[in-house]
Amino acid sequence: DVKVTQSSRYLVKRTGEKVFLECVQDMDHENMFWYRQDPGLGLRLIYFSYDVKMKEKGDIPEGYSVSREKKERFSLILESASTNQTSMYLCASSGLAGTQETQYFGPGTRLLVL
Amino acid sequence: QKEVEQNSGPLSVPEGAIASLNCTYSDRGSQSFFWYRQYSGKSPELIMSIYSNGDKEDGRFTAQLNKASQYVSLLIRDSQPSDSATYLCAVNSWGGSYIPTFGRGTSLIVHP
Repeated sequence: DVKVTQSSRYLVKRTGEKVFLECVQDMDHENMFWYRQDPGLGLRLIYFSYDVKMKEKGDIPEGYSVSREKKERFSLILESASTNQTSMYLCASSGLAGTQETQYFGPGTRLLVL
Repeated sequence: QKEVEQNSGPLSVPEGAIASLNCTYSDRGSQSFFWYRQYSGKSPELIMSIYSNGDKEDGRFTAQLNKASQYVSLLIRDSQPSDSATYLCAVNSWGGSYIPTFGRGTSLIVHP
């Protein structure tokens, strides 16, 4: 069965803290994505990666960085958390093309920055 | 900026009716099209994918694609209360790999 896991379901952090969100997929997918989802704004792409050590900015990369050292693992880093980064964070993975393009999502991490 | 537009709803239909969800997209070079369902508090999951013009049916779900009009729709026949969810339209375009753009979603409520 397809599986994408995220390190935490809920996280509470203080302003200025460095925050790590980790995502692991077991499908040998090339592509991995980080989104945030906010009411009324839908899913917004933060960063994606199409290969190990490769990363591309999405629509809202400011305040975030990512790391992909292994194919199955994609980490999102909030260098200095701010209250406007309170959100639901979703990781997804997909294959290369055709039917492999389907995105498989992790359960999400609800982050609260105080 | 690639855009995918959906009516936010809520779309309210009675049980047993047909629910029709619509989506338009701006990038004419888009290759593939997806409908995801998202229950409250859960992550999105794939309902249908469609790659060529016309209709594609899977059980109670039918996806329709019209590339000339840049329009994709999802029909849900015999709607059930369990279909109540937010439906996200996603459109993939080539950008080194296939990168999705999501609409903001349409909230569907099926009432008994």
